[in-house]
Amino acid sequence: ETGVTQTPRHLVMGMTNKKSLKCEQHLGHNAMYWYKQSAKKPLELMFVYSLEERVENNSVPSRFSPECPNSSHLFLHLHTLQPEDSALYLCASSQEWGFWEPGELFFGEGSRLTVL
Amino acid sequence: GENVEQHPSTLSVQEGDSAVIKCTYSDSASNYFPWYKQELGKGPQLIIDIRSNVGEKKDQRIAVTLNKTAKHFSLHITETQPEDSAVYFCAASMAGGGSNYKLTFGKGTLLTVNP
Repeated sequence: ETGVTQTPRHLVMGMTNKKSLKCEQHLGHNAMYWYKQSAKKPLELMFVYSLEERVENNSVPSRFSPECPNSSHLFLHLHTLQPEDSALYLCASSQEWGFWEPGELFFGEGSRLTVL
Repeated sequence: GENVEQHPSTLSVQEGDSAVIKCTYSDSASNYFPWYKQELGKGPQLIIDIRSNVGEKKDQRIAVTLNKTAKHFSLHITETQPEDSAVYFCAASMAGGGSNYKLTFGKGTLLTVNP
């Protein structure tokens, strides 16, 4: 148990569906992240929220829409996805202490998404 | 931007042997280098990290070395055990200003330890 819980663990959706991934962290951290993990590719940062404010959006297509209602919860809303969006979506959290101190990333177990 | 190359992509060793995974990075300003381990069905977990003001760091059977001049760093696992079997990721960033936002990961190494 890393203290970061993701649901659902598996999701199959058609290209016209709308679904959401949920992440909850029980660690009291002040930053949360969405990463995409595809086979034989590096982990790709999608979104970062620090103190509930989005600070990074790595040019992710608008069919992915994040939401961070509070410091413990993070959502990824999905609509009109493409088959190439099939991947493992990982949520992570960290405590960012200050300018020179990177916090350890704590990852959830991921949501395996298949787009048909 | 930063580019991290990781080798090998797969590594198979016998239990008790050592394993070495190597990474190179491109941005000389990078100064923070973590290693994450991902077991099957789980998310990555930090196992060790190093900052550029040191050349080596050890934690029991795990060690990381850093050569800033050559811009490469390596993970060394001694006396490997079957539970070391996992995918290992290296990463690099410049600590400061929210460095986790700027972590660039390698593609990963699948380590298999054969009993």
